[in-house]
Amino acid sequence: GENVEQHPSTLSVQEGDSAVIKCTYSDSASNYFPWYKQELGKRPQLIIDIRSNVGEKKDQRIAVTLNKTAKHFSLHITETQPEDSAVYFCAASPALFSGGYNKLIFGAGTRLAVHP
Amino acid sequence: EAGVVQSPRYKIIEKKQPVAFWCNPISGHNTLYWYLQNLGQGPELLIRYENEEAVDDSQLPKDRFSAERLKGVDSTLKIQPAELGDSAVYLCASSRGVEDPQFFGPGTRLTVL
Repeated sequence: GENVEQHPSTLSVQEGDSAVIKCTYSDSASNYFPWYKQELGKRPQLIIDIRSNVGEKKDQRIAVTLNKTAKHFSLHITETQPEDSAVYFCAASPALFSGGYNKLIFGAGTRLAVHP
Repeated sequence: EAGVVQSPRYKIIEKKQPVAFWCNPISGHNTLYWYLQNLGQGPELLIRYENEEAVDDSQLPKDRFSAERLKGVDSTLKIQPAELGDSAVYLCASSRGVEDPQFFGPGTRLTVL
């Protein structure tokens, strides 16, 4: 089955710097890759997602890139702000659009701390 | 639109007691998921519903866990009897269809003493 690895487990940056979180997946059939932000005690919040027919997607200060050959995808946050501090989870879903469904396999999470 | 609603938000019980969690998905979302989130880890799928039918319960420990989604809207997840290792956050998520993004509720934090 699918396995998703996420690095780093913790990331500390200064306000205004960029942050990059990387994930690798094992199942080449995976074709949907969402990212969730979870603040302490709150729900995981979908912040951006990408499908395998797209190599990059951007939404204001966040962007996701996908390399299907290497089976890895990354989250990029530019101009970080203290309110970006949270745990970020990547996920991969195999077999979407191929008779399968959105069965998310999550990484272990990255705790991002943005210092003023 | 209103988000996924879960209750209770917190539950403390003693081991061997039963416990139930309730979820109300986003209106119009036919697919409902229950996840388990252990501390410091990502969510893990327990069961998925398409309307009122459980179509993937392969990860649900059926000896003590049960779930239902009557009328294809609200859902309940039950544990009986609870064990110490069941302490975790139980998350509910919903999506419009099987290929659509999932949106999570705030979760129920269960502590088993």
